Amino acid sequence: DAGITQSPRHKVTETGTPVTLRCHQTENHRYMYWYRQDPGHGLRLIHYSYGVKDTDKGEVSDGYSVSRSKTEDFLLTLESATSSQTSVYFCAISGDYQGRDEQFFGPGTRLTVL
Amino acid sequence: ILNVEQSPQSLHVQEGDSTNFTCSFPSSNFYALHWYRWETAKSPEALFVMTLNGDEKKKGRISATLNTKEGYSYLYIKGSQPEDSATYLCAFDSGTYKYIFGTGTRLKVLA
Repeated sequence: DAGITQSPRHKVTETGTPVTLRCHQTENHRYMYWYRQDPGHGLRLIHYSYGVKDTDKGEVSDGYSVSRSKTEDFLLTLESATSSQTSVYFCAISGDYQGRDEQFFGPGTRLTVL
Repeated sequence: ILNVEQSPQSLHVQEGDSTNFTCSFPSSNFYALHWYRWETAKSPEALFVMTLNGDEKKKGRISATLNTKEGYSYLYIKGSQPEDSATYLCAFDSGTYKYIFGTGTRLKVLA
């Protein structure tokens, strides 16, 4: 199994509070991704990173920010959580051969915003 | 906005039946097409990465074909088993780092 972990695995928070989710990999892969999974929508890309300090937006980036200061860590921050951000969040990594490498997914973080 | 569609949305088959489902994607700017298998309460796991028109890939009883000119890929499962029950996702890659996932086909194999 690819060495990819997410923390926390479950979180309940209140509307308006900041939340940071962490993705950690031990594979030294260049590309890292944050997705959210909602019923009827499948996996939707929030943000991705193509290297340390290199990030870009996905299709549902509003309300989220990311940072990648080290190869192994990719942080997703909800600056002020809203109920619409209740979801399961998956981190994924892929190798250096752009685009054609399969993605390896973390175990997911279930976030509930009350 | 790129659209990736999968059909059917869900299906039930009997153990031993063969089945197939479809992933439709934009026929322009094609780079790769990925198939993933996603079991309940787990994370998606890669099945195939398909890059060339006419590609056929096989892993055990599961195989996939690719038609980039018309923008579709088929996933086949021969002799379905209960352990094949999962959601099967496809993801379109236009070479921009961004993968566009379909909503998946949910397969239930009845013993």
